[in-house]
Amino acid sequence: QSALTQPPSVSGSPGQSVTISCTGTSSDVGTYNRVSWYQQPPGTAPKLMIYEVSNRPSGVPDRFSGSKSGNTASLTISGLQAEDEADYYCSSYTSSSTLIFGGGTKLTVL
Amino acid sequence: QVTLRESGPALVKPTQTLTLTCTFSGFLLSTSGMCVSWIRQPPGKALEWLARIDWDDDKYYSTSLKTRLTISKDTSKNQVVLTMTNMDPVDTATYYCARSRAAVTIHAFDIWGQGTMVTVSS
Repeated sequence: QSALTQPPSVSGSPGQSVTISCTGTSSDVGTYNRVSWYQQPPGTAPKLMIYEVSNRPSGVPDRFSGSKSGNTASLTISGLQAEDEADYYCSSYTSSSTLIFGGGTKLTVL
Repeated sequence: QVTLRESGPALVKPTQTLTLTCTFSGFLLSTSGMCVSWIRQPPGKALEWLARIDWDDDKYYSTSLKTRLTISKDTSKNQVVLTMTNMDPVDTATYYCARSRAAVTIHAFDIWGQGTMVTVSS
């Protein structure tokens, strides 16, 4: 099963909003609301930012939000801050009872 | 406080079998709804989910790697073990273990270990 499709990179200035897309198929993103998003600064383990499309774990700022339409999920970061600079990965449950990740998106804060 | 820590060899030779151990604290894998997964990340590349074991000993494997993987648990030691056979240089990666739980969702990892780097080379 191929990885979910994410843009390799996105960028924005402090205070702006950015959106990262995650495109799958009807066998994963399109059928299941089991999409998660992870933040991974360089040299560190990933951190859960969003689960089940739009839910934030305790401690994650409300500047981070998630949504889904059809086979594409999205992560939006509003009020961009320098500390948000990191790699971001989406994941989805699949019809094969497995989990699949996206290829990752590097967020640069200008 | 929930923590997970991966351990295993830093270097393995091609064709050898890799055995990694995830030692955790702060939760019991025997508790209903608890799960532990293994995920890997080659240098500079994306995350790849490998396998998951559940509190009831159900096991799930990556479709592409399932013939090479075995996941098991020792609840008395608070450990989860992953073995991967027939190692190849393309398996060079940082290997993470991570927890998920039904109280949140078993399909998202709320706590990760720090990862252990495994290099496959002769």
